[in-house]
Amino acid sequence: KQEVTQIPAALSVPEGENLVLNCSFTDSAIYNLQWFRQDPGKGLTSLLLIQSSQREQTSGRLNASLDKSSGRSTLYIAASQPGDSATYLCAAGSSNTGKLIFGQGTTLQVKP
Amino acid sequence: NAGVTQTPKFRILKIGQSMTLQCTQDMNHNYMYWYRQDPGMGLKLIYYSVGAGITDKGEVPNGYNVSRSTTEDFPLRLELAAPSQTSVYFCASAYGGGRTEAFFGQGTRLTVV
Repeated sequence: KQEVTQIPAALSVPEGENLVLNCSFTDSAIYNLQWFRQDPGKGLTSLLLIQSSQREQTSGRLNASLDKSSGRSTLYIAASQPGDSATYLCAAGSSNTGKLIFGQGTTLQVKP
Repeated sequence: NAGVTQTPKFRILKIGQSMTLQCTQDMNHNYMYWYRQDPGMGLKLIYYSVGAGITDKGEVPNGYNVSRSTTEDFPLRLELAAPSQTSVYFCASAYGGGRTEAFFGQGTRLTVV
């Protein structure tokens, strides 16, 4: 059974800091790892998708890495801005069943 | 582009009532998912479908039922609503299941009183 854990649960940083969000998963039989952003009261927006054969993906100030052997993914946010304040969720996509299993999220606050 | 559409956006139910949450997608995706999100928590998978006529249980299926008669629609049925089903429900779809990017609806906020 796939279990996905995100640490920390909450994070508060001053504007301009570089930061790392962590995601770990128990079953390495994943097809990909996806990172999502959720604003309060809203749905989820896909940020990055890393295929299991890839090591990292980049989009603007965001960089996500994947290490299947250790069951870990990280989301790196460079030069954080107040507009980055949101909850970030990771999800592991199963290669066998097609299930998408989520972690509990990290709520980020970037202070001006 | 409509994407994934959920209705209703908000609903209040009394204990013991039943209702159906609607979800439709116009991207011809094979995979569809229902999740619930409790306050301050991540998303828990209720049911998912790999194609029309095929559904399977997720992490928290008790108290819910689904059907998938068409590729586009994946309704979630709540029978005998209980306060524990108060939550925000999200529907999602993906072309290749866990292999491809998932797209989410805006959610249905359900309160059972």
